[in-house]
Amino acid sequence: EVQLVQSGAEVKKPGATVKISCKVSGYTFTDYYMHWVQQAPGKGLEWMGLVDPEDGETIYAEKFQGRVTITADTSTDTAYMELSSLRSEDTAVYYCATDSINGAYNWFDPWGQGTLVTVSS
Amino acid sequence: EIVLTQSPDFQSVTPKEKVTITCRASQSIGSSLHWYQQKPDQSPKLLIKYASQSISGVPSRFSGSGSGTDFTLTINSLEAEDAATYYCHQSSSLPLTFGGGTKVEIK
Repeated sequence: EVQLVQSGAEVKKPGATVKISCKVSGYTFTDYYMHWVQQAPGKGLEWMGLVDPEDGETIYAEKFQGRVTITADTSTDTAYMELSSLRSEDTAVYYCATDSINGAYNWFDPWGQGTLVTVSS
Repeated sequence: EIVLTQSPDFQSVTPKEKVTITCRASQSIGSSLHWYQQKPDQSPKLLIKYASQSISGVPSRFSGSGSGTDFTLTINSLEAEDAATYYCHQSSSLPLTFGGGTKVEIK
């Protein structure tokens, strides 16, 4: 069974950095891109970026460029999303999600359970 | 950036009724359009891929159609468990984008 298990909820102060993990099991980690998606409270889904675990190449959405770093550790089959210079608007649930076809962008399946990040002074 | 516009934003429906949700893309995306269901406090779940292809384990009352810029998700004979928010998602070009969501409430 394919599973993505994310790290637990975080509370951070404005200006801080948060790093969320997403541990994969049930498939070959390096076969598919890993994406990260933000969902603010009561809002929709916003794509943040992706990493190709095979070579570490990343692509980021313009909105998050410069503040987000997505990495993949093939020794532990774990992807990470680090978001810096946190502000209140970054309060959201963050999801990791596996792409569906090797070497291409397609549908996301499955998704992690989500990690709530709260930014508050 | 390809903008996906969903309509309606909200729909209140009685059980067994048919639900139709539309997703319009700001430019042609072929069939690179996928649908997800998200129930409260849950992760999104894939319902339909490539506009109209069914997903194993998803009830047959869910179907999708369309290509180019106009797409539709149809739920035939709505059940109580279908109360959720539905999102479309395009994978035609970067940045990958989602529609704003359609919340379906059961009357």
